[in-house]
Amino acid sequence: DAGVIQSPRHEVTEMGQEVTLRCKPISGHDYLFWYRQTMMRGLELLIYFNNNVPIDDSGMPEDRFSAKMPNASFSTLKIQPSEPRDSAVYFCASSYKQGEISNQPQHFGDGTRLSIL
Amino acid sequence: GNSVTQMEGPVTLSEEAFLTINCTYTATGYPSLFWYVQYPGEGLQLLLKATKADDKGSNKGFEATYRKETTSFHLEKGSVQVSDSAVYFCALSIRGTSYGKLTFGQGTILTVHP
Repeated sequence: DAGVIQSPRHEVTEMGQEVTLRCKPISGHDYLFWYRQTMMRGLELLIYFNNNVPIDDSGMPEDRFSAKMPNASFSTLKIQPSEPRDSAVYFCASSYKQGEISNQPQHFGDGTRLSIL
Repeated sequence: GNSVTQMEGPVTLSEEAFLTINCTYTATGYPSLFWYVQYPGEGLQLLLKATKADDKGSNKGFEATYRKETTSFHLEKGSVQVSDSAVYFCALSIRGTSYGKLTFGQGTILTVHP
């Protein structure tokens, strides 16, 4: 089975530009998570969706960040305008609820390495 | 709140050495415990998990036992290989939460030399 697919793998752009990161979760998974990983802060949960509905976006750092999930097989994370401090690796993960959700692992994509110049 | 503390890294070992990476946690409820591994340039992968006290998770020669009395979930491997070089994350998730939010430790970098 295909895992979580993220695109692009690398993105380099100039400050002020709009950046769109894409994620295709594992088929049948009903939870989707966006994380950011930096050396300083480690892994941070930005937002998560359940059945395509955003449930908790309290981790989104600023209004410049937005995320959507128009259907069960696609999600985007958008940064507009981008700033150098947004440089990080962004991961998408998905999981499904079978029994107790806390026992279910999250499946991560390979991430998008974002560099804002 | 919930938190996970991992031993300070990085850890450097020779091939075939014994590995221990310490992990302790604090939790507001009953946690499930996980170890994830991140190889260079890749996302996190589940290595093993344990969902109740005294359970032992194991995979690829790695083991960890859920110790409720010491709130610990230390990762061990008897003989490491160069291919085990990666970043290891301990994490927890609280039972009964609506979505299984993961709380991660800071990660421990492991480098194994031939």
